[in-house]
Amino acid sequence: NAGVTQTPKFQVLKTGQSMTLQCAQDMNHEYMSWYRQDPGMGLRLIHYSVGAGITDQGEVPNGYNVSRSTTEDFPLRLLSAAPSQTSVYFCASSYRPGQGKNIQYFGAGTRLSVL
Amino acid sequence: TQLLEQSPQFLSIQEGENLTVYCNSSSVFSSLQWYRQEPGEGPVLLVTVVTGGEVKKLKRLTFQFGDARKDSSLHITAAQPGDTGLYLCAGRTYNTDKLIFGTGTRLQVFP
Repeated sequence: NAGVTQTPKFQVLKTGQSMTLQCAQDMNHEYMSWYRQDPGMGLRLIHYSVGAGITDQGEVPNGYNVSRSTTEDFPLRLLSAAPSQTSVYFCASSYRPGQGKNIQYFGAGTRLSVL
Repeated sequence: TQLLEQSPQFLSIQEGENLTVYCNSSSVFSSLQWYRQEPGEGPVLLVTVVTGGEVKKLKRLTFQFGDARKDSSLHITAAQPGDTGLYLCAGRTYNTDKLIFGTGTRLQVFP
């Protein structure tokens, strides 16, 4: 059981480059989220999805796009990378709150540096 | 703007001491969770509290949800080096079901 898989684990970009952070889960979870983690800031919600075809903005959505074409995948796109996007990115998934255990599972993270 | 503020931000103590971490907000949450994160890994869920005033115990860890569902605390009794890590609270909002994380408390327990 792979759980939540994020790729790549590390990435270095130049300012202005674009890239996609991949996230896949094999637990048939409806809810998926992207967070970024910066020192002293905990985790901040970027975008989230409550099911295939449905996405919404979190606390810090600017500069990021998402789509949810399947239940399993929830990619995060950086259209034009900026140094302010240097961070550790975490993808997470869970069942809909109220359905069974209210547990959010996290991937191992993607460490992104924008030069 | 961070909806959930944690205090203290850093805590460095000796093995055997007790400690309390606080998680405060002006918002009301349908539930609140506590996570622990090790370096290089994602957060792992410790507990979920749902009812205002609820107290849950997990071995030496005691979690409390405020009566007004706006705040929570984590108390560790007789801390051990294995308790070292980043502790994060997270509240689920009523209207959008978002899970919003706190600012985090980094705990270091020395032998």
